[in-house]
Order: sequence, then C-alpha cells, then structure tokens
Amino acid sequence: DAGVIQSPRHEVTEMGQEVTLRCKPISGHNSLFWYRQTMMRGLELLIYFNNNVPIDDSGMPEDRFSAKMPNASFSTLKIQPSEPRDSAVYFCASSLRQGVGQPQHFGDGTRLSIL
Amino acid sequence: GENVEQHPSTLSVQEGDSAVIKCTYSDSASNYFPWYKQELGKRPQLIIDIRSNVGEKKDQRIAVTLNKTAKHFSLHITETQPEDSAVYFCAASKFDGRGSNYKLTFGKGTLLTVNP
Repeated sequence: DAGVIQSPRHEVTEMGQEVTLRCKPISGHNSLFWYRQTMMRGLELLIYFNNNVPIDDSGMPEDRFSAKMPNASFSTLKIQPSEPRDSAVYFCASSLRQGVGQPQHFGDGTRLSIL
Repeated sequence: GENVEQHPSTLSVQEGDSAVIKCTYSDSASNYFPWYKQELGKRPQLIIDIRSNVGEKKDQRIAVTLNKTAKHFSLHITETQPEDSAVYFCAASKFDGRGSNYKLTFGKGTLLTVNP
C-alpha cells in the first residue's frame, strides 16, 4: 500500500501566480479530503469528494480556490491567483465511504509558501 | 456546526509518567472520535479511535475514554517515552446525510513533550 501521495512536497512561488497541488488517494478509497493546516487556524477541512463528486466545499476560503477530481485516482487543488496568506501546509486524505467512522489516511502534505 | 475544544495546548511530562489530553465536543450527534499524532514536519497519523457505542478502548500504552453524556473524550498515554513527543489532535465526526460520510472537526492540538 503506497499510501496517499501528494505532489509537490514543497512549493515556493510569487504572489499572483497559479498554484496546483496534486493528490493520489489510496487505491480503493472512495472519499477524498483536502485540508489546510496553519498555526493560527489548525487543521481545516476545505472540501471533500465522494466517488469523485464534490460534496461539501463550504471550507473553501474564497473563489480563488478550486478543486477537481476527474477520476478515482487523482485530485487537484488550485489557487489562482495566490496570495501570501495562502501560505500553509495542504494535506490530502482518503478513506472508505462506508460504515461508522472510517479512518482518514493523510498524505505527507504540500508546504506552500507564497512570497 | 461541530466545535471541538482541546486541552491543554502544551503538556510536558517526565519519561515514564502518564499524559492525559482532553477534548469536548458540541454536537451530541457526533459518533466517531479519532486521535491523530503529528510529528514535526510530518503528516497526521491515526493512533486510536473510538465509536460512540463504547466507553473505552485501549491499545498497548494508549487508551481513549468517551463520556457521551458530558460530551467529552480523553487520550491517556502511560509510561511515556521520548518518541511520544509530538502534537496530538482529537477530532469528532458525525454522519453527514448529504454526502453519506463523516466529516472530521479537529481540535487545535496538544504539543506533548516527554523529557528523558
């Protein structure tokens, strides 16, 4: 089991640039979650998908943020245009969507720095 | 929505002592409570979880207790070791009817330091 795979691990870019974060969930998992982690706000859920369909995007901070899941093995989180306050660690997690409380498995995260 | 409060924010213990981290939640419909450990610069990793149909669960040196009436749950680590040093997060979730899934709401975390 390769686990949840995220890329890139680190991203440094200038304000105003487009940023695309990528995630490959664990094979067979049908739910995918995007989180943002900062010291001030902790771990925040941005959006989650079930069977590639976005279910709840109420955590997406602004229209500058968008996420897609074109198939069961790939998802992207895009920020356009990026701003310094978007600097954070972005985690992707996946789980099975069945039963009571399926554990979420996290990727190693993308550390994003917007200059 | 759900609100999860976690205390303390920092905890320092001597090796071999016990550590207890407490969380409270606001939504009585929450029924799944995982705990995650996050080492510096690494991803959160699930260490133990409990569902609302049980009051206590134990796995070697770690245990979790749940009081549904009071809406609080706790993580207990016995015989602490330096490698237990990390940030620990509690979370609560309930069934989300729209998506047929369980959204996690996390506490703010507890930085545990185990001194040799």
